[in-house]
Amino acid sequence: QLQLQESGPGLVKPSETLSLTCTVSSGSISRDTNYWGWVRQPPGKGLEWIANIHYSGRMYDNPSLRSRVTISVDTSKNQFFLSLSSVTAADTAVYYCVLFSREGRGDLWGQGTLVTVSS
Amino acid sequence: EIVLTQSPGTLSLSPGERASFSCRASQSVGANYVAWYQQKPGQAPRLLIYGAFSRAAGIPDRFSGSGSGTDFTLTITRLEPDDFAVYYCQQYGSSPLTFGGGTKVELK
Repeated sequence: QLQLQESGPGLVKPSETLSLTCTVSSGSISRDTNYWGWVRQPPGKGLEWIANIHYSGRMYDNPSLRSRVTISVDTSKNQFFLSLSSVTAADTAVYYCVLFSREGRGDLWGQGTLVTVSS
Repeated sequence: EIVLTQSPGTLSLSPGERASFSCRASQSVGANYVAWYQQKPGQAPRLLIYGAFSRAAGIPDRFSGSGSGTDFTLTITRLEPDDFAVYYCQQYGSSPLTFGGGTKVELK
């Protein structure tokens, strides 16, 4: 059964860069029919899509975050990554890594990791 | 960007009752690419319905989706104790992918 696991610092200072890793296990990240992506959820609030990437490097992202987001993939490590620069308290959220279908539905979600932006 | 509005915000019901809630899109969703997710406290969302009415693997048939264009509905025919949760709709017919604000189904 494919599994996704987020990892990264739980605390980031304002103006710094948030960096997260998603490790894919029990399956290959090099799946032609899927994209890998990130969704976040501020405490007590709803879901916000950040960006998706295909193992080939094709990607698409949310224009509201585009200027600050970098998404990448390392097929040799079966991992993909998120960087979000110039963070503020508004970026405090649970960040989920997600297996998306080619069309864009979220088929499988990691357990999520809370990232708090605070000095 | 397609904005999704879910209603009601909260639904108070008892086990065995029928639950039905709405997801309205600000413009027509391409190919009726609407998904529904269930989220329990402290857990990740779980895919229930995709393509407006197709159930995901392992989802019981008391969950059903309907609708097209801009109006979509999730129905739970007989609520079980495990169904009390927050439900989100998502459209994936166009980028950016967007989610509704959620409907909380709580125990009456």
